[in-house]
Amino acid sequence: AQSVAQPEDQVNVAEGNPLTVKCTYSVSGNPYLFWYVQYPNRGLQFLLKYITGDNLVKGSYGFEAEFNKSQTSFHLKKPSALVSDSALYFCAVRDDSGNTPLVFGKGTRLSVIA
Amino acid sequence: GAVVSQHPSRVICKSGTSVKIECRSLDFQATTMFWYRQFPKKSLMLMATSNEGSKATYEQGVEKDKFLINHASLTLSTLTVTSAHPEDSSFYICSAPLEGVRRGYTFGSGTRLTVV
Repeated sequence: AQSVAQPEDQVNVAEGNPLTVKCTYSVSGNPYLFWYVQYPNRGLQFLLKYITGDNLVKGSYGFEAEFNKSQTSFHLKKPSALVSDSALYFCAVRDDSGNTPLVFGKGTRLSVIA
Repeated sequence: GAVVSQHPSRVICKSGTSVKIECRSLDFQATTMFWYRQFPKKSLMLMATSNEGSKATYEQGVEKDKFLINHASLTLSTLTVTSAHPEDSSFYICSAPLEGVRRGYTFGSGTRLTVV
């Protein structure tokens, strides 16, 4: 069975500083990995995904993530945080077998302080 | 492209009544729809998977008779919360997998259900 761990409930970072939101996963077979962001009372907004190819994935709003197979990690990063990046971030995984649903991590709340 | 329209976005209902939530795929055919529930400040928990023309598959612990899912067409899946109680208050989100090279998912905007 697939699982995702987001070890940090909360990440605080000063505006302009780099940010990292951690994610590790467990899946049988090849992983499909995703990052989503959620603002209060809103649905999920897609940031980026890794299916295959380059381990460094660039996504929306300046975010990127690096797939590390040996460490089973897919940490989300951004070189310079904005106050508007403050939101709830979810890492999600599925395996490569058909239309299986995403399994989500518990979420990490990012707070960017001006 | 690949938009799922979910409505209502918010609904308040009285205990004992039923509420229907709709998810429509606007520009593609959704043969499968996943229904998630999100508790405050918590992650998304998969409730059930619906497939067009067949019975939904429910996750362990989800009451089939309480959360009725219908996927009668390739563009519409519905979740009906029957005889709602305050503990059913939550944020419900639908999601459809995307085929082919996109190989991702599209999500509805969510429904905030409050049962009073």
